[in-house]
Amino acid sequence: EEQLVESGGGLVQPGGSLRLSCAASGFNFNIYNMNWVRQPPGKGLEWVSTITSSSKIILYADSVKGRFTISRDNAKNSLFLQMNTLRAEDTAVYYCALGSGGLWGQGTLVTVSS
Amino acid sequence: DVVLTQSPLSLPVTLGQPASISCRSSHSLVHSDGKTYLNWFQQRPGQSPRRLIYKVSNRDSGVPDRFSGSGSGTDFTLSISRLEAEDVGVYYCMQGTHWPWTFGQGTKVEIK
Repeated sequence: EEQLVESGGGLVQPGGSLRLSCAASGFNFNIYNMNWVRQPPGKGLEWVSTITSSSKIILYADSVKGRFTISRDNAKNSLFLQMNTLRAEDTAVYYCALGSGGLWGQGTLVTVSS
Repeated sequence: DVVLTQSPLSLPVTLGQPASISCRSSHSLVHSDGKTYLNWFQQRPGQSPRRLIYKVSNRDSGVPDRFSGSGSGTDFTLSISRLEAEDVGVYYCMQGTHWPWTFGQGTKVEIK
């Protein structure tokens, strides 16, 4: 069964850091572009970042550029999001998503608050 | 950035009746490769989003055939032929033609 499982969310103070992980299984992770998409509580969806299959192309939303870093380890079927200098407005459920959204994880909640 | 405007934002529908959601784009969504990367997602209460339709009108595997997508250029529609109770949730359009990807605001479908 194709599956994405996020982890690493939690409560962090403003200015702090957090690293999210997404474990993929049931499909050939190596050949797909991967994405992070977030959803603030009670609000809509916002694309955050994309990384191509070979990591050659990486894109970020302006709202996170310079603060977040996406990466992947194809040998371990894993996707990551390093989040630094976190702000209150980064509070959201963070989803990893395959390709153009054909598969999503269950999400991990990041709360930025003092 | 491309702005996607959905309407209506709230859609009460009687069970068994049809429903229709509009998604209008501020820019043409026809890519230079000739394809149109407009997807529709369903998010049931408490669940992750699930893609229903990709590239305007292609149903994902396992999606009931009561769901259909249509449109071109800047105007797109998601139609549900006969609403069932399991269809309650929020529906989003998303464009993948232009970076950054953007989503519509969401349309909440509920039982009347």
